[in-house]
Amino acid sequence: NAGVMQNPRHLVRRRGQEARLRCSPMKGHSHVYWYRQLPEEGLKFMVYLQKENIIDESGMPKERFSAEFPKEGPSILRIQQVVRGDSAAYFCASSPGGSGANVLTFGAGSRLTVL
Amino acid sequence: AQKITQTQPGMFVQEKEAVTLDCTYDTSDPSYGLFWYKQPSSGEMIFLIYQGSYDQQNATEGRYSLNFQKARKSANLVISASQLGDSAMYFCAMRPLSGTSYGKLTFGQGTILTVHP
Repeated sequence: NAGVMQNPRHLVRRRGQEARLRCSPMKGHSHVYWYRQLPEEGLKFMVYLQKENIIDESGMPKERFSAEFPKEGPSILRIQQVVRGDSAAYFCASSPGGSGANVLTFGAGSRLTVL
Repeated sequence: AQKITQTQPGMFVQEKEAVTLDCTYDTSDPSYGLFWYKQPSSGEMIFLIYQGSYDQQNATEGRYSLNFQKARKSANLVISASQLGDSAMYFCAMRPLSGTSYGKLTFGQGTILTVHP
């Protein structure tokens, strides 16, 4: 039973390029969450999605960042025109339902480096 | 808004000893869930233990137990019989169980635990 799969594990981009991070939730999980971790810090919530719906995007920067979770395929976190400050680890998590008691299962993370 | 505070940037413990990692929280939500995650040097986030604010008993999972004191708003993690493989960063986190922000897990800054042989 595969866990949460994220790819790529490492991504290097130059300033101004686009970064696309993919996340396939655990089998049976329909809720996906994206978090960002800057060096030496805890994880910060970005966005919470269900299939074809954004439930809570209160943690997403207003510009350049977008997320989707289509009916078919993985969830995508897209960062346009990357800047050095976007360098971070981006974690995806999934859960079977939206209840606050549900444990979020995290992927191994995608580490973005912006040159 | 929710806030998690972990006041110990780093902790050291001797192998086979017990260690307590502190976590205090602040929230206006009437019900909430408290979580501990472990992040080893390889970087993945591993779930350890969960405590609901309505739970009467403290949660336990193998060598992990959560010392939940609701009046003090604390949710300390106790690791018994420490092992070398317990060396990692540990994060305390919380999440409302209802309301518009129930999807949002708020993390503390983390505590780095080092287990000495």
